[in-house]
Amino acid sequence: GAGVSQSPSNKVTEKGKDVELRCDPISGHTALYWYRQSLGQGLEFLIYFQGNSAPDKSGLPSDRFSAERTGGSVSTLTIQRTQQEDSAVYLCASSPFYTTYEQYFGPGTRLTVT
Amino acid sequence: AQTVTQSQPEMSVQEAETVTLSCTYDTSESDYYLFWYKQPPSRQMILVIRQEAYKQQNATENRFSVNFQKAAKSFSLKISDSQLGDAAMYFCAYRSALRSGGGADGLTFGKGTHLIIQP
Repeated sequence: GAGVSQSPSNKVTEKGKDVELRCDPISGHTALYWYRQSLGQGLEFLIYFQGNSAPDKSGLPSDRFSAERTGGSVSTLTIQRTQQEDSAVYLCASSPFYTTYEQYFGPGTRLTVT
Repeated sequence: AQTVTQSQPEMSVQEAETVTLSCTYDTSESDYYLFWYKQPPSRQMILVIRQEAYKQQNATENRFSVNFQKAAKSFSLKISDSQLGDAAMYFCAYRSALRSGGGADGLTFGKGTHLIIQP
């Protein structure tokens, strides 16, 4: 079946603009995760959704970052007033609830803030 | 908080040879999961192998095997009969087995090892 998809593949934006990154998880997967991969920090966990429960935002680096998940499926990660340090690859992963230890990753969105 | 350390930024191996990638981790938990992920230039993270901490037997997946030393908190990956398609970044990752929320469910990654396969 189809894997995790993310759009856009690449995004270039000017400092101070808002951006939205989209993730489509594997159909039927109830858990969804966002990670950030940057040269300086490596791979960092950002946020986690499980079904319709309130997300765990413990990894979000600042209040400029937010995420939502509509209908327990598609998720959008929004970064407001982007800064150059936000430049990174943003990876999304999903997992079936009863196989909670394996996460399936999407191809990521490369964000460049100029 | 848990940490994962990969001390080899880059490794090189001849095609058909065997290579071992190192990973150590720090945790106070007794139950957890460990993973090796592969990331080729396409950026797609692919699960290579996983190990449950409560299992003493080392996991094996075809040419890939691990040496899990729980007391030493070590989790190395051995790739046998290396192939050109194995060239990629390899990440070691940790996940708590506690169901305490997203922070525990999120993976903690090492910095990665860039594996080069020499033809």
